Amino acid sequence: ELKVEQNPLFLSMQEGKNYTIYCNYSTTSDRLYWYRQDPGKSLESLFVLLSNGAVKQEGRLMASLDTKARLSTLHITAAVHDLSATYFCAVLATDSWGKLQFGAGTQVVVTP
Amino acid sequence: NAGVTQTPKFQVLKTGQSMTLQCAQDMNHNSMYWYRQDPGMGLRLIYYSASEGTTDKGEVPNGYNVSRLNKREFSLRLESAAPSQTSVYFCASSKNRGTGELFFGEGSRLTVL
Repeated sequence: ELKVEQNPLFLSMQEGKNYTIYCNYSTTSDRLYWYRQDPGKSLESLFVLLSNGAVKQEGRLMASLDTKARLSTLHITAAVHDLSATYFCAVLATDSWGKLQFGAGTQVVVTP
Repeated sequence: NAGVTQTPKFQVLKTGQSMTLQCAQDMNHNSMYWYRQDPGMGLRLIYYSASEGTTDKGEVPNGYNVSRLNKREFSLRLESAAPSQTSVYFCASSKNRGTGELFFGEGSRLTVL
């Protein structure tokens, strides 16, 4: 059974500093997604990572994937208040019939 | 472009009552999903429909039933609601089962007293 573990589950960030969220998974994967959820809102797709060594960047967010280590990271550069949200990684395991397995989420709060 | 539309957005039920959550997508996607979100547990798959005419159980199907009415619509029914079903429910769709990328509705917040 695929297990997806995110850490930390809560991250208090200071504006202007850099932080990383980690996503570990337990079995081989075809692809990995990062989603963002604002309070009371739906989930918005941020990145899809398809292969070992894949790196995607959008603004202050950069996601990477190491399939050998079964690890993805979401790096936040120079945090700003607008990045306050909950971030989820979701893994599409090989032979999972298209079913994504989500991590528990990382709640990010950015303060001045 | 509406994307994925869920109704109702909020609902309060008493234990034992039944209700149906409706979901419709206008993106011509083949696959549709129902998830529940509980604090600290991420999203857990209840049921999914890989294509019109098919449905399958996900991780937490007990207490729920689904109907894929047509390509656009996928409903979730609680026959006899229990307090443990208090949650936020999300419908999602994807172009095909294998692509994985999901597009989510706005969510339905259900409270069972």
